[in-house]
Amino acid sequence: DIQMTQSPSSLSASVGDRVTITCRASQSISSYLNWYQQKPGKAPKLLIYAASSLQSGVPSRFSGSGSGTDFTLTISSLQPEDFATYYCQQSYSTFPTFGPGTKVDIK
Amino acid sequence: QLQLQESGPGLVKPSETLSLTCTVSGGSISSSSYYWGWIRQPPGKGLEWIGSIYYSGSTYYNPSLKSRVTISVDTSKNQFSLKLSSVTAADTAVYYCARQATDYGDDYWGQGTLVTVSS
Repeated sequence: DIQMTQSPSSLSASVGDRVTITCRASQSISSYLNWYQQKPGKAPKLLIYAASSLQSGVPSRFSGSGSGTDFTLTISSLQPEDFATYYCQQSYSTFPTFGPGTKVDIK
Repeated sequence: QLQLQESGPGLVKPSETLSLTCTVSGGSISSSSYYWGWIRQPPGKGLEWIGSIYYSGSTYYNPSLKSRVTISVDTSKNQFSLKLSSVTAADTAVYYCARQATDYGDDYWGQGTLVTVSS
């Protein structure tokens, strides 16, 4: 199994802040890395696929980078609607796995 | 606009079989570009991939659940289904169905359905 880790597990930030979340895979996954946003009581929403491609309709303040084992999700200027939990997911193997999540809350 | 909707019992007794169906509307489940999968989330916890199916019937399962999981597809009804046998309280979770693509992520999700395992 490919294990995914995320850091930090939670963070507090203010509106307008630049936020960076890191995801690491236990082995190389090339660019098969996706990022999701989940709000309480809602299904996850795809933000970024293939490490750096912005899903249609997702604001451009979200960006992703990385390849191999290390990846980042950046929110350039945090907005009130961005307070949520963020998950990375590898789709390199036939057994996709998710990171444990990073909760972003209001400072 | 593609939509996915989970349906099935919200309460299952321990040792019994959990059965859910995902109905796809606004598009065909027979698309050659996508898999159709199940993901679950225990209350207050993270996401766990359960398994996926291609319209042809090819399946992939989470190794930790493989002995208890069966995913099937009915292209005539544009539906796919999940069966999880011998459930315990640890299987209590919100179960989501989703459209999955290796290169493009899981782009469409159902709203999720809470299944509680309790006597």
